[in-house]
Amino acid sequence: AQSVTQLGSHVSVSEGALVLLRCNYSSSVPPYLFWYVQYPNQGLQLLLKYTSAATLVKGINGFEAEFKKSETSFHLTKPSAHMSDAAEYFCAVSEHTGKLIFGQGTTLQVKP
Amino acid sequence: ETGVTQSPTHLIKTRGQQVTLRCSSQSGHNTVSWYQQALGQGPQFIFQYYREEENGRGNFPPRFSGLQFPNYSSELNVNALELDDSALYLCASRTDTVNTEAFFGQGTRLTVV
Repeated sequence: AQSVTQLGSHVSVSEGALVLLRCNYSSSVPPYLFWYVQYPNQGLQLLLKYTSAATLVKGINGFEAEFKKSETSFHLTKPSAHMSDAAEYFCAVSEHTGKLIFGQGTTLQVKP
Repeated sequence: ETGVTQSPTHLIKTRGQQVTLRCSSQSGHNTVSWYQQALGQGPQFIFQYYREEENGRGNFPPRFSGLQFPNYSSELNVNALELDDSALYLCASRTDTVNTEAFFGQGTRLTVV
């Protein structure tokens, strides 16, 4: 069965600092991987997705993620955090049916 | 094009009651999925509908049921509400192409008292 583990339920960075949110997955088949962001009292917005093309995936708002098969990881990064990046971030793996399996989420706090 | 819309945005129900949540899928999308997101947790898959048929279900009891209509909009029904059903219910729509991205609505916040 597929699963996702997000390491660190809370991450705090200073404005302008590097953002690194960790995601490891378990899958018996080549995975499709996604990062979603959720702002308070809102639904989920897709940041980026990996679908077996380039291993370095660029998304919206300056975020990117690198798929590393050997490490079963898909960590999300952004070179310079903005205050507006404060939100909940979810990593997800997709089964062939389209069902999304989400991690527990990481709350990103950005300090001025 | 319009996005995914859900109604109502907030709802308070009493334990034992029944509730119906509604979702209008994004234009051109024929697949709708429902997720339950408890406070502080990631979304959990409830079920998925494709062309009015359920084609996938998560680990939820039968009192969670759904419908999809010819225009691809969808309903989630929950009978015999329990306190633990309090959560944000998210609807997502996509095309039927494998592993295209799902677009989420704003969710319905259900509180069971």
